[in-house]
Amino acid sequence: QQQVKQSPQSLIVQKGGISIINCAYENTAFDYFPWYQQFPGKGPALLIAIRPDVSEKKEGRFTISFNKSAKQFSLHIMDSQPGDSATYFCAASGLWGANNLFFGTGTRLTVIP
Amino acid sequence: DSGVTQTPKHLITATGQRVTLRCSPRSGDLSVYWYQQSLDQGLQFLIQYYNGEERAKGNILERFSAQQFPDLHSELNLSSLELGDSALYFCASSKGHRASSYEQYFGPGTRLTVT
Repeated sequence: QQQVKQSPQSLIVQKGGISIINCAYENTAFDYFPWYQQFPGKGPALLIAIRPDVSEKKEGRFTISFNKSAKQFSLHIMDSQPGDSATYFCAASGLWGANNLFFGTGTRLTVIP
Repeated sequence: DSGVTQTPKHLITATGQRVTLRCSPRSGDLSVYWYQQSLDQGLQFLIQYYNGEERAKGNILERFSAQQFPDLHSELNLSSLELGDSALYFCASSKGHRASSYEQYFGPGTRLTVT
């Protein structure tokens, strides 16, 4: 079963707008939540990550919001730019259990000028 | 550039054949993870090696195997290939053995096409 559910599947945003991608998980043992950015023909690149002891983490225009009680986390891209057009994956991993990253199904973001 | 290298970049082969994909981790990283990315399955974890030993296993088929050598490079062997094995194969490396404790850096991938 899908350990991490991601939505939407695709997203079109105007330049300068805010892009929001959401993820949800069930396994309360997860304690590490990274986001990866993937351009066509390239490998996923780590963008930003958060642990459950904080509710928000910001790096430049990228912010992760984390809601532990709802078991949800989201990526916000402020002032979206055409260069942000890529596929974004959320992921999760835990201290216990299977030792790997569980990925969401990805969101294809298109930022139109 | 993540510092993780993978060869070859592209591979085209026929059903029933066997191929080997190679990955060199970032300098100083001891863990290598292998992932398969297909259109309908997303990114799926296959197997992890840490300092030469198998550490975790995911949805890896019995026809697939991997190993990590003393110089820490890793190879993924795919045999009796089927059309459904066509996918992008990524390796990722990290310093430690816990996926939740150490960041994973991905290579550029190998695109495998089985005809």
